Amino acid sequence: DAKTTQPNSMESNEEEPVHLPCNHSTISGTDYIHWYRQLPSQGPEYVIHGLTSNVNNRMASLAIAEDRKSSTLILHRATLRDAAVYYCIRNAGNMLTFGGGTRLMVKP
Amino acid sequence: GAGVSQSPSNKVTEKGKDVELRCDPISGHTALYWYRQSLGQGLEFLIYFQGNSAPDKSGLPSDRFSAERTGGSVSTLTIQRTQQEDSAVYLCASSFTGTSSYEQYFGPGTRLTVT
Repeated sequence: DAKTTQPNSMESNEEEPVHLPCNHSTISGTDYIHWYRQLPSQGPEYVIHGLTSNVNNRMASLAIAEDRKSSTLILHRATLRDAAVYYCIRNAGNMLTFGGGTRLMVKP
Repeated sequence: GAGVSQSPSNKVTEKGKDVELRCDPISGHTALYWYRQSLGQGLEFLIYFQGNSAPDKSGLPSDRFSAERTGGSVSTLTIQRTQQEDSAVYLCASSFTGTSSYEQYFGPGTRLTVT
């Protein structure tokens, strides 16, 4: 099964860090781990991706477990604009298989 | 630069009619994907084009659905004899190549409503 497992929802306070977990216990050695987010009434937006090493970009950080069976998306300081559904995806190249995602709510 | 564009943004059609949805990928991207998202659901893969290779049609739900990509750029998704269960947001994405190390860029989608 190519789907990943994420909590249905999480809540955070504005300006605080957020750690969004994802389990992908059956991931193959060549699948990249991608994170996308979807704001209401918009198409998904790429956030970050990685294979084995931890990754940082201007939007977030991605921490990948050594066995690659799980990963965590880190938003260092949540803002109200970060409220969205976050999808953790195993990218096999020919398609993205989306699960239910985590709905992140940010409280002011 | 310009992102992925889709047209129309909204389409309302009567059951049984045919519809065509258009996608303009990012220039230079060789991979193009179609997905659909029903209300409150995650994305469902439909079809994938990579360069001049035969498309991966494994996600198309029935033979009423077809897609083509002309000149390796613009793509059209056609739904024949539309049914109410076809109502969804149809999303197009493109990627530099179809390998797993490249991200996909999504268009804003076409909201299809079949009455």
